[in-house]
Amino acid sequence: DAGITQSPRHKVTETGTPVTLRCHQTENHRYMYWYRQDPGHGLRLIHYSYGVKDTDKGEVSDGYSVSRSKTEDFLLTLESATSSQTSVYFCAISAGTPNYGYTFGSGTRLTVV
Amino acid sequence: GESVGLHLPTLSVQEGDNSIINCAYSNSASDYFIWYKQESGKGPQFIIDIRSNMDKRQGQRVTVLLNKTVKHLSLQIAATQPGDSAVYFCAENNRGSQGNLIFGKGTKLSVKP
Repeated sequence: DAGITQSPRHKVTETGTPVTLRCHQTENHRYMYWYRQDPGHGLRLIHYSYGVKDTDKGEVSDGYSVSRSKTEDFLLTLESATSSQTSVYFCAISAGTPNYGYTFGSGTRLTVV
Repeated sequence: GESVGLHLPTLSVQEGDNSIINCAYSNSASDYFIWYKQESGKGPQFIIDIRSNMDKRQGQRVTVLLNKTVKHLSLQIAATQPGDSAVYFCAENNRGSQGNLIFGKGTKLSVKP
């Protein structure tokens, strides 16, 4: 996906451990988003950022925190991973809101055992 | 990955036929809509968008129709090809949440050769 990179692509971690997922963009877009995708639920917004150090919660933010210290990077942290956080995580970027589409990364498949 | 398609309504079409994927959106105040395509193991990709001041918009082999009266959106794919097999999501902007997009759960399109 041009201009947006997620890392790692796959991760297996143990319950109770901290995990950080990284989203990096080269588009200089202001808005960045973290979603999780689960069967039967579609894409659900975890947190989003509307500028450096400006973040807000989405609909499923419990158990997650984010940080954005520079325009190009948006980090998602699971402070203490639980099995319910096993999911595929997508980062997205947008030039603006509300009438702009999102460009998504390739996703991170996280398994908490 | 493949789990994205679980629990989703499925549309099965013959290669070369036209496909119509439907979506009911929730917010009558939404004024921007997008269709995304998600192939197995990849992030969602932008296909086409439409603003509420339009009823129809055409792209390459795709057409989006918007009926604001009944809050309905459809995606028409002409001459469907095996490469069109994927999960298709509609999204609407959410005026009540900083304009963030709200995604439908999706429809799985399966193209039979």
